[in-house]
Amino acid sequence: QSVLTQPPSASGTPGQRVTISCSGSSSNIGSSTVNWYQQLPGTAPKLLIYRNDQRPSEVPDRFSGSKSGTSASLAISGLQSEDEADYYCAAWDDSLNGVVFGGGTKLTVL
Amino acid sequence: EVQLVESGGGSVQPGGSLRLSCAASGFTFRGDWMHWVRQAPGKGLVWVSRINGDGSTTSYADSVKGRFTISRDNAQNTLYLEMNSMRDEDRAVYYCARARSGSRNALENWGQGTLVTVSS
Repeated sequence: QSVLTQPPSASGTPGQRVTISCSGSSSNIGSSTVNWYQQLPGTAPKLLIYRNDQRPSEVPDRFSGSKSGTSASLAISGLQSEDEADYYCAAWDDSLNGVVFGGGTKLTVL
Repeated sequence: EVQLVESGGGSVQPGGSLRLSCAASGFTFRGDWMHWVRQAPGKGLVWVSRINGDGSTTSYADSVKGRFTISRDNAQNTLYLEMNSMRDEDRAVYYCARARSGSRNALENWGQGTLVTVSS
């Protein structure tokens, strides 16, 4: 059972916009910034979004993040087949004194 | 180019010990927070531990506290994870990761991972 809650799966067709939610509490998302990671099959994770809504320079602007209260969301617009991957949210947890990850969302491009 | 290369994985019996290493290059190693994250086969990412630039501050997940020790050698640009009293549930791919400069927890660079199996 992960501290941060994500839907186990999401799907969309090419060109669509999909969102992935991440729900936490006051000790993590409510008091810290959220980072998002993309893990393509058989590879190491990649930082997608940091500090809630910031993109590393190499990440396409099709990817965006937001946070409100104790929840965060990752949005992917103009969905492409290469976006098929597992997506994880993460945040620092003040109560646990550690980083907590969501359980991950498997995105399927139909 | 930032490179993180883990080594030291392998098979160990329950109750045994293993030390993982992560050789870093392409950035100012002593300046950045470093983390270990693990992933059991077919499962999600689980944070294990982190250490600050000069090694004076560390944190651990409850599941490994008292059994694992994170450390670093800034002269050798190497991160370590000493794992003792290992359990079946420690079986996973272990990744070392570098936090983005100016951040403590945004993991910008990852190694390829090293597999640890715990089996009698």
